[in-house]
Amino acid sequence: ETGVTQSPTHLIKTRGQQVTLRCSSQSGHNTVSWYQQALGQGPQFIFQYYREEENGRGNFPPRFSGLQFPNYSSELNVNALELDDSALYLCASSLTLFADNSPLHFGNGTRLTVT
Amino acid sequence: GQQVMQIPQYQHVQEGEDFTTYCNSSTTLSNIQWYKQRPGGHPVFLIQLVKSGEVKKQKRLTFQFGEAKKNSSLHITATQTTDVGTYFCAGLTGGGNKLTFGTGTQLKVEL
Repeated sequence: ETGVTQSPTHLIKTRGQQVTLRCSSQSGHNTVSWYQQALGQGPQFIFQYYREEENGRGNFPPRFSGLQFPNYSSELNVNALELDDSALYLCASSLTLFADNSPLHFGNGTRLTVT
Repeated sequence: GQQVMQIPQYQHVQEGEDFTTYCNSSTTLSNIQWYKQRPGGHPVFLIQLVKSGEVKKQKRLTFQFGEAKKNSSLHITATQTTDVGTYFCAGLTGGGNKLTFGTGTQLKVEL
């Protein structure tokens, strides 16, 4: 059974640039959620994708967008990067879209640094 | 919006001592989950509690969900160095899909 994989592991970008982060969900999981974890903080929900559509969004501006593909893999795109976007971005897959039926399986994350 | 706070923020213990972290939500939860994140790692699911007053045990770990379903606790008996990490509670409201993570408690265990 393959776990959740994310790429790249580390990334350094300049303020104003755009970035794309990638995630392959665990085998058999059709739901992907993205979280932002600032240093010393708990993960903050960005959005969730189910069957290629956004299914719930946290308090993040529209410059945070995503995609889910037919194989359930997903991308997180961030436009017009700001210094405060520096964080660990975690992808989590789950068996169903309802968190009370299926716990989250996290990937190792992408460490994004914006300078 | 919903807020989930945890105390303490940090805890240093000697190996063999007990440890407890407390989780408090600003709103009533339908369930609560606990995750552990090792230094440099990612959160790993530990357990889910659903019923009011529910208590679950995993070896040296005891998890409790409050009667009002607004608070929870994790107690570790006789800590070991393998317990090092940050423990997060995460609450779910209603039948939704958005888990709200707590602020976390970082546990350090000294020999």
